[in-house]
Amino acid sequence: DTAVSQTPKYLVTQMGNDKSIKCEQNLGHDTMYWYKQDSKKFLKIMFSYNNKELIINETVPNRFSPKSPDKAHLNLHINSLELGDSAVYFCASSQVGRYNEQFFGPGTRLTVL
Amino acid sequence: GENVEQHPSTLSVQEGDSAVIKCTYSDSASNYFPWYKQELGKGPQLIIDIRSNVGEKKDQRIAVTLNKTAKHFSLHITETQPEDSAVYFCAAKGSGGSNYKLTFGKGTLLTVNP
Repeated sequence: DTAVSQTPKYLVTQMGNDKSIKCEQNLGHDTMYWYKQDSKKFLKIMFSYNNKELIINETVPNRFSPKSPDKAHLNLHINSLELGDSAVYFCASSQVGRYNEQFFGPGTRLTVL
Repeated sequence: GENVEQHPSTLSVQEGDSAVIKCTYSDSASNYFPWYKQELGKGPQLIIDIRSNVGEKKDQRIAVTLNKTAKHFSLHITETQPEDSAVYFCAAKGSGGSNYKLTFGKGTLLTVNP
């Protein structure tokens, strides 16, 4: 199936730990994104990579570090997790052009205890 | 930067009725306006989009209209069914340096009562 996939789907961890979320897309797109969705369902862009180059870096604590080993993968590493990091994190991808349709993964629900 | 306002935040309709969700945007250079449906526990799914050179687009029971002068666009769902119940998001894509970025509205929780 062609899709955007994320692992893990659920992540429960203690405050202060370091964790990673992985994303892969097989749509042949050149741009990938990380979004955070809070408890009120608000979707906020965090990062975007185009051809492995960081192009969007919103106001996000530097405890969050994205890494794109190639065009098909974008991982998110979070250091020193805090309670406020609990949210659903979505990966998305698109082929940049005039209109830039974005396709989302299923999400990773992160719970920090 | 772009700002997208979405109304209403919740909408409850009876099965078979129509539902309308409205959004406004601030950047007159925005040229692409997608709508996403998010079901419980799933990622947002693109259901329809409209480009700035088009005023209306229809796909079966859903349609989107765009008024560039007023900077607003709307989603219309006719003959609603219980499976239409979800959170709907509108978004707008900027141009130039914001070409990569979608700005989302805050979502509308649509409930279709059988």
